[in-house]
Amino acid sequence: EDQVTQSPEALRLQEGESSSLNCSYTVSGLRGLFWYRQDPGKGPEFLFTLYSAGEEKEKERLKATLTKKESFLHITAPKPEDSATYLCAVRHSYNTDKLIFGTGTRLQVFP
Amino acid sequence: DAGVIQSPRHEVTEMGQEVTLRCKPISGHDYLFWYRQTMMRGLELLIYFNNNVPIDDSGMPEDRFSAKMPNASFSTLKIQPSEPRDSAVYFCASRFSQWSSGTVRGEQYFGPGTRLTVT
Repeated sequence: EDQVTQSPEALRLQEGESSSLNCSYTVSGLRGLFWYRQDPGKGPEFLFTLYSAGEEKEKERLKATLTKKESFLHITAPKPEDSATYLCAVRHSYNTDKLIFGTGTRLQVFP
Repeated sequence: DAGVIQSPRHEVTEMGQEVTLRCKPISGHDYLFWYRQTMMRGLELLIYFNNNVPIDDSGMPEDRFSAKMPNASFSTLKIQPSEPRDSAVYFCASRFSQWSSGTVRGEQYFGPGTRLTVT
């Protein structure tokens, strides 16, 4: 069964304190892993798509990496405005139109 | 681009009433998805359309839920009759499909959601 597990559930960081969020997945042949950011009261905002192990993508203080079993979202020198819930999703093994979402990591960055 | 538009943003209704949620996808996108988000279950896919045709409604919880897409610019999700356990945030998302090396590409873009409260 396709599954996405994110850890930790919640993370509190001091401004400038770098860290990483984890997304472990189980699918039969990865056809895309997605990272989204969700602010309270808003819809998920697309950040990155990764397709193959070894692939990396960056946007400002965020860098997403992918292995055959997991993905990491590295946050370098975070700022309070990076506070949000970060969601990871993968395409379903047999119906690639569907996304399987993890439950997210709630990040809080304090000044 | 205006992004995915949803209305209303908030809906409060009494149990037993009919509720209609509306969505306008991003122009040119050929897929439209309806999701429900709760603290307990996270994001759940309810139904999705391709070129206005419903493809998979296996996530629709009960016959009380129905969805339509009469044209490429508009979709509705209806709950009749509504129940307190339907209280959640409902999201619409759209996607433009691209293919590369035999694999579907394209990301889903979400609307701002409709927060539904059924009392």
